[in-house]
Amino acid sequence: DAGVIQSPRHEVTEMGQEVTLRCKPISGHDYLFWYRQTMMRGLELLIYFNNNVPIDDSGMPEDRFSAKMPNASFSTLKIQPSEPRDSAVYFCASSLVHEQFFGPGTRLTVL
Amino acid sequence: GQQLNQSPQSMFIQEGEDVSMNCTSSSIFNTWLWYKQDPGEGPVLLIALYKAGELTSNGRLTAQFGITRKDSFLNISASIPSDVGIYFCAGYSGGGADGLTFGKGTHLIIQP
Repeated sequence: DAGVIQSPRHEVTEMGQEVTLRCKPISGHDYLFWYRQTMMRGLELLIYFNNNVPIDDSGMPEDRFSAKMPNASFSTLKIQPSEPRDSAVYFCASSLVHEQFFGPGTRLTVL
Repeated sequence: GQQLNQSPQSMFIQEGEDVSMNCTSSSIFNTWLWYKQDPGEGPVLLIALYKAGELTSNGRLTAQFGITRKDSFLNISASIPSDVGIYFCAGYSGGGADGLTFGKGTHLIIQP
């Protein structure tokens, strides 16, 4: 099993640019989660999907953030326009029920 | 929202020592999970607990689900250098699969 796959691993961009983060969950997992990790706030849930449908997006910071899951094997998190305060590590995780398995993360730096 | 209070924030220990860390909440949780995160990587699941009072081991790691369902602890026996990292507790308060609530983590540092 390849585990949760995220790309890119690192992203450096300039303020105002669009950023797209990608995730491939573990095959067969019904749930997909996007988290953000910063030193100040720790791990925060942004949004999660069940069977490709967004269930709870209350953690999405603002309208600049959007997430999609067009099929069971792919999800994207988009930030448009990006701002320096968006700099963080973004994790994707997937699960069958309770045990969530995390990807390696995307380290985003917005200059 | 719900919060998990994890302590200690950091631990400086000697190789071979036992380690104990815990997580508490003012709310009841139905599931407790313990993760370890190495630098530059995502959290890796160590142990999952589903019943109050449950005690589960994974090698040198032992975790318990508190009787009150408001706390959990993780013990590491005979620590080794590869135990270095950040340990997170996490919990679910609902019945289904939901976003996990995470503690702030315990940073374990092993001194030579």
